[in-house]
Amino acid sequence: QQQVKQSPQSLIVQKGGIPIINCAYENTAFDYFPWYQQFPGKGPALLIAIRPDVSEKKEGRFTISFNKSAKQFSLHIMDSQPGDSATYFCAASKGGGNMLTFGGGTRLMVKP
Amino acid sequence: DTAVSQTPKYLVTQMGNDKSIKCEQNLGHDTMYWYKQDSKKFLKIMFSYNNKELIINETVPNRFSPKSPDKAHLNLHINSLELGDSAVYFCASSQFGYGYTFGSGTRLTVV
Repeated sequence: QQQVKQSPQSLIVQKGGIPIINCAYENTAFDYFPWYQQFPGKGPALLIAIRPDVSEKKEGRFTISFNKSAKQFSLHIMDSQPGDSATYFCAASKGGGNMLTFGGGTRLMVKP
Repeated sequence: DTAVSQTPKYLVTQMGNDKSIKCEQNLGHDTMYWYKQDSKKFLKIMFSYNNKELIINETVPNRFSPKSPDKAHLNLHINSLELGDSAVYFCASSQFGYGYTFGSGTRLTVV
C-alpha cells in the first residue's frame, strides 16, 4: 500500500520555468510533510517542510502548497536553474520520532 | 565534518555472504534509521532506532539486523545475502522525527 503518491515521475522544464510536483497522501494522521532533493550518488537532502496548520510555506525559490481537505501538497520551484536538476521526493510522517513515508520521486531536468 | 557518515560507499559481495554497513552521526540526534533505495529510486524505511526503542518494518527479512553500540552509531548487519538485496542503503538521523539528515549511501551489489 503506497501511502504517499507522487507525480509526475519525470519532468523537463526550460531554465526560468516553474516546475510543479504533486503529492497525495492517505493517512490523515500524517502531520509533517517534508520535501527532499537528491543528486546522483548523494543522499536525500531536506529542502523544505510544512505542517498541516499552514497552507503555504516559502523558502527562497521553493514553495510548498498544502491542501488539508484534499490531502494533497505540492512543491513549486520558482525561476528554475539547471543546477536544480535532481530527483525530488515528498514524504510524510505522523508525530515526532516516527519514520518518513516517501513518495516515489520525480526526476526533474532543467534545460539551459 | 560529515554529519551522517556511512562506510563503505561501495560493497560488492557474493550470494550467501554476511556483511555489515557502519553508520555514525555527529549531530547529537536521538533517532537513527536505515532506508533502502531500490533501482527505481523508491525509498523504503527498514528500521528506526533510538536508545529506547527499535521499530522494524515488518516487510524487512530477519536476515537484516540493526545494531547500535551507542547513541551515535547504528550499524546494519545482513546475513545470507541474496541477489534481491542489491540496492543503495541510506543511514539517517533525526531529532524527535524532524530535520532528517541522510548519509551519502552504500551501494550494495550482490553477485
